[in-house]
Amino acid sequence: GAVVSQHPSRVICKSGTSVKIECRSLDFQATTMFWYRQFPKQSLMLMATSNEGSKATYEQGVEKDKFLINHASLTLSTLTVTSAHPEDSSFYICSARRDSQNTIYFGEGSWLTVV
Amino acid sequence: RKEVEQDPGPFNVPEGATVAFNCTYSNSASQSFFWYRQDCRKEPKLLMSVYSSGNEDGRFTAQLNRASQYISLLIRDSKLSDSATYLCVVNNADSGYALNFGKGTSLLVTP
Repeated sequence: GAVVSQHPSRVICKSGTSVKIECRSLDFQATTMFWYRQFPKQSLMLMATSNEGSKATYEQGVEKDKFLINHASLTLSTLTVTSAHPEDSSFYICSARRDSQNTIYFGEGSWLTVV
Repeated sequence: RKEVEQDPGPFNVPEGATVAFNCTYSNSASQSFFWYRQDCRKEPKLLMSVYSSGNEDGRFTAQLNRASQYISLLIRDSKLSDSATYLCVVNNADSGYALNFGKGTSLLVTP
């Protein structure tokens, strides 16, 4: 079974609204989680590194005010896409690093469609 | 220049064939190497790690050449269920545990 749960798996929202995606480690602590984005036929691109209790580290070109990341507990990180636009439509996927094993687990991903 | 480069394919092979995928990476400080498999519209799943000495897992063999910054994956006796996109993945010490993904190589195994 999945050890990292991502929710929702699919979401459609109207342009200009905000959408929150949750990434939850189910049976382990994850101080560090990662958020990726994948456009069709493209590679997964790292958006940001989420650290529990501190600010996320964003990759170059990713707007931190548009993609809000909160990692308030050792098992949950959230990504909020604010003022979504159609070009934000993509596959968003998180991964979590298991603190005790240095192992990375991926969530099932979230398909976002902005209409 | 992209950090991890792969031939996108597609590779169309008959069942039972042997197929090889190649990958190059640009950062000589890269430390960890992996092959992931991604099925259509799904999350990537770890296929195998890649070690300098080369490693094998059943029908899958991975090789790493640090001098050439080159990684390979060999699949023997292809099965229909091997059809997927294979992602070459590299981890650099300076990026923590974030992974750098290649664009992937598409494999279609036909009856």
